[in-house]
Amino acid sequence: SYELTQSPSVSVSPGQTASITCSGDKLGDKYACWYQQKPGQSPVLVIYQDNKRPSGIPERFSGSNSGNTATLTISGTQAMDEADYYCQAWDGSTVVFGGGTKLTVL
Amino acid sequence: EVQLLESGGGLVQPGGSLRLSCAASGFTFSSYAMSWVRQAPGKGLEWVSAISGSGGGTFYAASVKGRFTISRDNSKNTLYLQMNRLRAEDTALYYCAKPGDYGDYVYDYWGQGTLVTVSS
Repeated sequence: SYELTQSPSVSVSPGQTASITCSGDKLGDKYACWYQQKPGQSPVLVIYQDNKRPSGIPERFSGSNSGNTATLTISGTQAMDEADYYCQAWDGSTVVFGGGTKLTVL
Repeated sequence: EVQLLESGGGLVQPGGSLRLSCAASGFTFSSYAMSWVRQAPGKGLEWVSAISGSGGGTFYAASVKGRFTISRDNSKNTLYLQMNRLRAEDTALYYCAKPGDYGDYVYDYWGQGTLVTVSS
């Protein structure tokens, strides 16, 4: 079965750039998307089709996907961006989520 | 405004059954594939199942295939998940999720979830 792997945690200082990666076999051949989930809340889509932002998502969120790795980048990270982030892809028959990355802003 | 309201969760013994419902409003329900995604306490997201807009196509995660059945009633704008032979590892918050215009499996709306606890 297809798997997506994320680092469990990433730390960043306010105002700096955070990069969260997601790896999977030939992930670049698929579309990746990213969700943000804050404690006690439902997930929110922040990036779809590798690098597109839904309306209402700040420009500081961007994405890329090539080879075996998709990356979510948050530029000028703010305290409000502290959350869990999940990558997701469709492997042709099932939806696959990464294990999630906890972003700490300190 | 899109709304997804899950119900039907609760405490059930191992081996038991439960049926979850998701009442949808604010969009043309039959036009969208719908999915169930779950999250065990303190854990990550796990996709469970999806169904096409017409209901003619269904997909399942390996962990639930043969035990869970997804269905929908487009006349009632409601999505269902029949869960049989429940196990302790099925304990989770179950979300109903709707895709947007970005693909059938890119979820731009999520419900608040309904909690299923499998325990004796």
